[in-house]
Amino acid sequence: GQQLNQSPQSMFIQEGEDVSMNCTSSSIFNTWLWYKQDPGEGPVLLIALYKAGELTSNGRLTAQFGITRKDSFLNISASIPSDVGIYFCAGQLNPGTASKLTFGTGTRLQVTL
Amino acid sequence: DAGITQSPRHKVTETGTPVTLRCHQTENHRYMYWYRQDPGHGLRLIHYSYGVKDTDKGEVSDGYSVSRSKTEDFLLTLESATSSQTSVYFCAISEGQVEAFFGQGTRLTVV
Repeated sequence: GQQLNQSPQSMFIQEGEDVSMNCTSSSIFNTWLWYKQDPGEGPVLLIALYKAGELTSNGRLTAQFGITRKDSFLNISASIPSDVGIYFCAGQLNPGTASKLTFGTGTRLQVTL
Repeated sequence: DAGITQSPRHKVTETGTPVTLRCHQTENHRYMYWYRQDPGHGLRLIHYSYGVKDTDKGEVSDGYSVSRSKTEDFLLTLESATSSQTSVYFCAISEGQVEAFFGQGTRLTVV
């Protein structure tokens, strides 16, 4: 099945640094979502993007829907320890149907003091 | 939390036995989903439901069946568990066509 390529796979950063991660696909998606997963928990929705070129912020998080519809980016500014976790991108291919999402393999973020 | 409860949270079962996982929602959302999460694969859709008694297959449906007899409950059954079905299973719900909210997961080990 289709898979989204997410990079980097993992990253160590220092508290206060900015973080960037991205997600690419060989196919077009109509919607991009970014989720965060803490250990032992389910993914929690961070940002949803609905239009190509859209730039959306949620606090220190900013995400963009790539103009080609084949990629998306997530930036976290001034990272803090609670940003630790796994970040997943997800794309929805077919509008008008149930939310059948295709997920990336995740970016594991670790923040050092 | 989006009012999603998965049960059990952890289960160990033997190869060849049937297993049923339950997802219960209190949000009255139309759509419900079952995903599995494995290292290196992210989350993959097993089955989903778009209403009572209306279900369809996802990407990795072989060896799984589902039922939805009430809006609030979506059951996932492993007809004859295999070691390859050892995974973490997540239920999700959505009202519209996009944002899905996830439960806390069920860790299933097949020995």
